Formats: sequence, structure tokens, C-alpha cells
Amino acid sequence: EDKVVQSPLSLVVHEGDTVTLNCSYEVTNFRSLLWYKQEKKAPTFLFMLTSSGIEKKSGRLSSILDKKELFSILNITATQTGDSAVYLCAVLGGPLVFGKGTRLSVIA
Amino acid sequence: DTEVTQTPKHLVMGMTNKKSLKCEQHMGHRAMYWYKQKAKKPPELMFVYSYEKLSINESVPSRFSPECPNSSLLNLHLHALQPEDSALYLCASSQDRQGANTGELFFGEGSRLTVL
Repeated sequence: EDKVVQSPLSLVVHEGDTVTLNCSYEVTNFRSLLWYKQEKKAPTFLFMLTSSGIEKKSGRLSSILDKKELFSILNITATQTGDSAVYLCAVLGGPLVFGKGTRLSVIA
Repeated sequence: DTEVTQTPKHLVMGMTNKKSLKCEQHMGHRAMYWYKQKAKKPPELMFVYSYEKLSINESVPSRFSPECPNSSLLNLHLHALQPEDSALYLCASSQDRQGANTGELFFGEGSRLTVL
């Protein structure tokens, strides 16, 4: 059975801090790993990773995949209160499988 | 703004009611999905439609009945629901079925369902 494990489950940081969110997975026929940000409603797409070692970057967010060790990290630098959300990692093998998410709270 | 539109945003229904959730996208996507999300849990896949045909049903009870009238629309018909069915129901679409592409889903904002 495909499995996605995220850590930590929750995290509280101060504005300006840098955070690293972790995602490990076990999946047959790996195709891609995706990161989503979910605030109050719909998850919004952040990154899709298919190749090891290639960093994807968007502003203060970046992510990288290690297909040998079966994990990915999502980094957020200079955090802002608007970064507060649940960050979901999902892996595509068969149907998309989501992890339980990391709830990030950024306090001023 | 999301390009996947869901209505209604909120729905309260009794256990004997019949209601429907609607989802619409105009991105030319050929795969559409229903997910159920309970509080503080990740989304759970319910149904996948690919080219207007049901391709995945994740053992969902028959009180949930999906329908895909055309490539832009996806409905979820609800009948005789239970209070534990209360959740956020998310619709999503992708260019084609997840198994054929790399899984970039576009989610709607969801319909929050409360069953009394």
C-alpha cells in the first residue's frame, strides 16, 4: 500500500524564521511528488518534483526530491504570517496519495 | 481565483434529503475527481472520471452517486447521508487521468457539507 509520511505534524515559528518540512514516501511505480498549500479551503499547487536533486524554487519557497532515500523537503525562508497553512505532500504512483500534512503557524 | 468552480459552498441537509454538489471547469481538462476531506485530515479520493467515464470508485457507499454529464461538469448526488458524512467535498481536475500525466491537480474551493 502506498504511504506518505510528513513531519512534523505541526510547527510554530516566528516571522523571519526559516522552516523545513519533510515528506517521506513508499510507493510503487513512482511518477511524481507534489506539494500543496491549504489554507481554509482548496489546496493550491506549489511544486511538482519528478527528478532527484533538482531544486524547484518559487520566491521564498523551494523544494527538492531524493528518489534514492525516498523523501522530499519543502523550505520556506523569511517566513511571513501569510505562510500559515497546512502543507500537504502527495505522491503519484497509482491514484494520488496525500500525507496528513504539516500545520505551519507563523506568529508575528 | 480557482478555475474549478464548486456549488454550493455550504450545504446543510437532513438524513432523508436528496441534494447534489456541482463542479465545473473550463480548462479543457479530461479528468475530474471528487475528494472528501474531514477536519485536520488529508483529502481522500472518492471518484475519478476520465473522458466522462468513471474509472475509479474507491469503495464509496452508494449513498454517494457521481455523474459526469460532459467534460466540463461533474456532479455528486447525495441521498440518505449520515452525520459522519459531514466534511469538505473537493472537486479537482487535471489534464488527463493521473496515471497518464504527472498529477498536477487543480482544486475547487470545496463544498462544506453538514448532515444533521
